[in-house]
Amino acid sequence: DGGITQSPKYLFRKEGQNVTLSCEQNLNHDAMYWYRQDPGQGLRLIYYSQIVNDFQKGDIAEGYSVSREKKESFPLTVTSAQKNPTAFYLCASSIGLENEQYFGPGTRLTVT
Amino acid sequence: GEDVEQSLFLSVREGDSSVINCTYTDSSSTYLYWYKQEPGAGLQLLTYIFSNMDMKQDQRLTVLLNKKDKHLSLRIADTQTGDSAIYFCAEIGGSYIPTFGRGTSLIVHP
Repeated sequence: DGGITQSPKYLFRKEGQNVTLSCEQNLNHDAMYWYRQDPGQGLRLIYYSQIVNDFQKGDIAEGYSVSREKKESFPLTVTSAQKNPTAFYLCASSIGLENEQYFGPGTRLTVT
Repeated sequence: GEDVEQSLFLSVREGDSSVINCTYTDSSSTYLYWYKQEPGAGLQLLTYIFSNMDMKQDQRLTVLLNKKDKHLSLRIADTQTGDSAIYFCAEIGGSYIPTFGRGTSLIVHP
């Protein structure tokens, strides 16, 4: 089955630690995205990538980093510099930037 | 920047029609989307409409687009309790990066 997987579903970390969220897709999509969702809020774009080895900052990139070494994978690292990291993180992919996005199931990160 | 606005809540009785509204500001929008999010899950693409269309129907879903007023609506016929979820409107314009609304929580009462 084709789709997008995110792991783990729930993640707990202590303040001051970096943490990496996984996102994998087997849809052969070129573009991939990371969003953050807070209660009662819409989706805010963190980073996106149009193609392997290239990525762009979104609206709230500070405190986050990404890599795109393979077409299928777009991991997100939440660094200790991110002031409010507790949130629901969603990964998405699309054929190209102008196409509809397909979302993974999300990872809920809690930092205490 | 561009903006997408939705009302936050809608409550309907099972069997009635639901209409979820959305307004946007980007005059160069090319595609407009509706997504559904169930609790604790990712977003599921429901339907989309091209900006040169004014209506699209897909089973119980009807999308209406008024491009002049930049108004998009999603009508769900014969609403069921399984339709209870958050519905997001999104648009893609010249920047090719979608802008999402804050989502409308649809509550369906038996």
